[in-house]
Amino acid sequence: AQTVTQSQPEMSVQEAETVTLSCTYDTSENNYYLFWYKQPPSRQMILVIRQEAYKQQNATENRFSVNFQKAAKSFSLKISDSQLGDTAMYFCAFMKPSGSRLTFGEGTQLTVNP
Amino acid sequence: DGGITQSPKYLFRKEGQNVTLSCEQNLNHDAMYWYRQDPGQGLRLIYYSQIVNDFQKGDIAEGYSVSREKKESFPLTVTSAQKNPTAFYLCASRRDGKGKDQPQHFGDGTRLSIL
Repeated sequence: AQTVTQSQPEMSVQEAETVTLSCTYDTSENNYYLFWYKQPPSRQMILVIRQEAYKQQNATENRFSVNFQKAAKSFSLKISDSQLGDTAMYFCAFMKPSGSRLTFGEGTQLTVNP
Repeated sequence: DGGITQSPKYLFRKEGQNVTLSCEQNLNHDAMYWYRQDPGQGLRLIYYSQIVNDFQKGDIAEGYSVSREKKESFPLTVTSAQKNPTAFYLCASRRDGKGKDQPQHFGDGTRLSIL
């Protein structure tokens, strides 16, 4: 079974600074997909970024980028130029291509301070 | 606009009562999912369905039941056998293209509380 670990329950950052959220996972699969979701206080789950394991290039979406280290089974999220609206719970998630189930980490609560 | 609609937003259950949470999607997605989220915790999978008239148990299916009679609808019933139902429930759907990184899209959730 796959497991996803987010070792930072809470983090804080000053507005306009950069912050990195950690995620590690355990799998015996060679190909898979990884996601970061954001859950603001409204509780809506919003997809932030996705990565395919067979792609070596790290995914980027505007101010959000990932550092995907396949050998280390690490998938960290970097948020540049942090904004107050980035305050949310962030979840890392894993998906096998052979099935459609997502396995989520416990989440990291990020607070952006003015 | 396409999306996932969960209703009601808030729901209260009396002891010994079954309640049903609604989830409807107009995205023409094949797969649908139900998750439970407890305070400060991640999402745990209750049930999922990849096609109409078929569904599978997730990690915490005890005390819950589902049906998938239509592609766009996946209601979740919280039965009286679920002794601790107070939680936030999220429904999701996904276009089930195998080998593709189709993400799950989520509804806005239902908060269930015990009276």
